Amino acid sequence: AQTVTQSQPEMSVQEAETVTLSCTYDTSESDYYLFWYKQPPSRQMILVIRQEAYKQQNATENRFSVNFQKAAKSFSLKISDSQLGDAAMYFCAYSSNNAGNMLTFGGGTRLMVKP
Amino acid sequence: NAGVMQNPRHLVRRRGQEARLRCSPMKGHSHVYWYRQLPEEGLKFMVYLQKENIIDESGMPKERFSAEFPKEGPSILRIQQVVRGDSAAYFCASSIGAGGTYEQYFGPGTRLTVT
Repeated sequence: AQTVTQSQPEMSVQEAETVTLSCTYDTSESDYYLFWYKQPPSRQMILVIRQEAYKQQNATENRFSVNFQKAAKSFSLKISDSQLGDAAMYFCAYSSNNAGNMLTFGGGTRLMVKP
Repeated sequence: NAGVMQNPRHLVRRRGQEARLRCSPMKGHSHVYWYRQLPEEGLKFMVYLQKENIIDESGMPKERFSAEFPKEGPSILRIQQVVRGDSAAYFCASSIGAGGTYEQYFGPGTRLTVT
């Protein structure tokens, strides 16, 4: 079974600084997808960024980028120029076409942004 | 184009009562997923449905829980004889196709409180 682990329950960053959230996963498959979701206090799940395992290039979306290390099964999220609105729970998630299509989530990291 | 809709947003039930949670997927989406989020935890997959079919219910408790996605109308997650441990946020997501290629769009969730 696939598992996703986020080892940082909480992280804190100063506004305008950069922060990296860690995620590791375990799978025996070669074709899969990785995601970072943001959950603000409203509880709405918002997709931040996704990465296809077959792509070597790390995905980027404006201030958000990932460091995908396939051999190490690591998928970290870097947030640059942190803003107060970035404060939220962040969940790493895994999906594959062979695993029933569902998302498997990590336990989450609470990000606090200090003004 | 309306997003995924869930109702009610908040539901309070006494122990032993039934809870019915509704999910209307995005227009054109025929794949629906239900997830449960316990306090301070990540989302856990419950069930995956396509129109009139349950594709994967491996994450759903065998007793008291059922789900359907009829040809017409919303998907329903039904919990019979609720217990305190059922208190959680229940999220529905929909996608236009199966597999990690297709993004799952989440609804705002239903927060169930069992008293």
